[in-house]
Amino acid sequence: DVKVTQSSRYLVKRTGEKVFLECVQDMDHENMFWYRQDPGLGLRLIYFSYDVKMKEKGDIPEGYSVSREKKERFSLILESASTNQTSMYLCASSLSRGRWTEAFFGQGTRLTVV
Amino acid sequence: EDKVVQSPLSLVVHEGDTVTLNCSYEVTNFRSLLWYKQEKKAPTFLFMLTSSGIEKKSGRLSSILDKKELFSILNITATQTGDSAVYLCAVSANTGNQFYFGTGTSLTVIP
Repeated sequence: DVKVTQSSRYLVKRTGEKVFLECVQDMDHENMFWYRQDPGLGLRLIYFSYDVKMKEKGDIPEGYSVSREKKERFSLILESASTNQTSMYLCASSLSRGRWTEAFFGQGTRLTVV
Repeated sequence: EDKVVQSPLSLVVHEGDTVTLNCSYEVTNFRSLLWYKQEKKAPTFLFMLTSSGIEKKSGRLSSILDKKELFSILNITATQTGDSAVYLCAVSANTGNQFYFGTGTSLTVIP
């Protein structure tokens, strides 16, 4: 079974802090994604990566950055956390482009910025 | 702009009822449509649909895709309280690697 693991289930951070959310997948998937999920807005793509050191902006990249130094790990960084970044963050992975596969999700990190 | 729209936004039914969830899409260069179930944790994969008119079935759940009219439905028969969840629809395209998600349908099944 594919496993996508996010480092924390719940996080509480202060405004202005730098926040790191980590995601690891164990199925050698090329693609990895970071979404945030908010009531009424569904899943919105923040960034995705289709290879090591490669990244592309999604729909809402402002205030975020990402890092993919190893194939299995994709990190989301909040440079200076703000209260409007309080949300559920979901990491996902899938096989390479051109393959008709589904995305597999981690368990989510519920981040509260106070 | 690529988009996926789900309806209804929420639904409350009694155990034993049959429900139909809808997903319409406008995505350039469509590749596949996927359904997920999300309880209070990670979304779990239900179905992937790539061809029109071919029903996918798993127990009491079934789904079908209409590529001409650009929509899919997810049916759940004889609903149970364990079916209570948010059901997400997503579409992938042949260009790029993204999945476009709808806002989800929140289903509550009451005993």
